Amino acid sequence: AQSVSQHNHHVILSEAASLELGCNYSYGGTVNLFWYVQYPGQHLQLLLKYFSGDPLVKGIKGFEAEFIKSKFSFNLRKPSVQWSDTAEYFCAVNAYSGAGSYQLTFGKGTKLSVIP
Amino acid sequence: GAGVSQSPRYKVAKRGQDVALRCDPISGHVSLFWYQQALGQGPEFLTYFQNEAQLDKSGLPSDRFFAERPEGSVSTLKIQRTQQEDSAVYLCASSLEGEARSIQYFGAGTRLSVL
Repeated sequence: AQSVSQHNHHVILSEAASLELGCNYSYGGTVNLFWYVQYPGQHLQLLLKYFSGDPLVKGIKGFEAEFIKSKFSFNLRKPSVQWSDTAEYFCAVNAYSGAGSYQLTFGKGTKLSVIP
Repeated sequence: GAGVSQSPRYKVAKRGQDVALRCDPISGHVSLFWYQQALGQGPEFLTYFQNEAQLDKSGLPSDRFFAERPEGSVSTLKIQRTQQEDSAVYLCASSLEGEARSIQYFGAGTRLSVL
């Protein structure tokens, strides 16, 4: 079974600081990788995804992530964070379960607090 | 509708009560997922429907949990004889197709508190 590990539980940054959130997954086969974001009081929203091709993917609001297959990692980055990026970020992997579904397996999430 | 709709948003139940949680997926979406998110954790898979067929229920924690999607659109997650450990946010997600690259869109969730 696949699993996802997010290294940081809570990250606190000042505005304009650079961000990198770690994500590692364990699964030996082909995976699809996602970052979801949950702003305070809102539902989970897709930030970006990786299926194949260029391992550096760009998402909404200036976020990007790099897939490194040899490290089983999919880290999220942003060069300069804003107060509005305060949210909880979830890394997720999607692989065929063999039982007929493609459910997402999520990490525990990283709470990002950006101080103005 | 514009997005996945879940009701109620909040539910308080006494231990031993039965509850029913509703999910209205995005119109035309074939796949529907239920997830459970405990406090401080990421969502965990419960069950999956493709149209009206429940193809995977491997994540349901006990036989007290039951889900249905009789007409391939609205889905209900029922929990019988609720226990305190059932307290969590229950998330519903839908996707257009039943394949790995189909994006899942989430509802706001139902927060269940069992007293």
